[in-house]
Amino acid sequence: EPEVTQTPSHQVTQMGQEVILRCVPISNHLYFYWYRQILGQKVEFLVSFYNNEISEKSEIFDDQFSVERPDGSNFTLKIRSTKLEDSAMYFCASRRTSGSVNEQFFGPGTRLTVL
Amino acid sequence: QQPVQSPQAVILREGEDAVINCSSSKALYSVHWYRQKHGEAPVFLMILLKGGEQKGHDKISASFNEKKQQSSLYLTASQLSYSGTYFCGFPPGSTGNQFYFGTGTSLTVIP
Repeated sequence: EPEVTQTPSHQVTQMGQEVILRCVPISNHLYFYWYRQILGQKVEFLVSFYNNEISEKSEIFDDQFSVERPDGSNFTLKIRSTKLEDSAMYFCASRRTSGSVNEQFFGPGTRLTVL
Repeated sequence: QQPVQSPQAVILREGEDAVINCSSSKALYSVHWYRQKHGEAPVFLMILLKGGEQKGHDKISASFNEKKQQSSLYLTASQLSYSGTYFCGFPPGSTGNQFYFGTGTSLTVIP
């Protein structure tokens, strides 16, 4: 069964460093998402991406964040200058078609630890 | 915009029933329910599309009251495997390009 994959599973970085989190969505999916979940808290929407551009973004997704689909398969989230409060689980998700009726498939997540 | 869930946490014995509620201050086009096990990604359970619609998934079912902007998840004859955190979620618009998860309900089923 097709699945969303994410690498790395765990990333440790120093405050102020740049990190790139990688995701490979399901191959025939067209809509991609990034979410963040701080330990023990709710899952928070960051950004959605379609047709090589951002569709929607939340207030969390400020100038230090960027997303890219550098080739036909990868979808990346870059955090330019990490802060301690960026420590969280980051989930990528993908969806096949538009509309609110379709489920999202989540990847296993990348745990980001900022020291 | 974030949906509010209640209760925050519930502990059940195997075989008992539970209801998890989700309410929104915004109009809902659809409601999604997900379950997340500790350390894992959220897993899709079901989508409800219409007001009053009720769907089932094994012994887990849900209802959606569009007018009240509420949804409830019903777990009957709970099993140990039902343990996890349950999130409702909704896209605020019809495109589904944004998505807001609820505050979460931690469900623990004990033998």
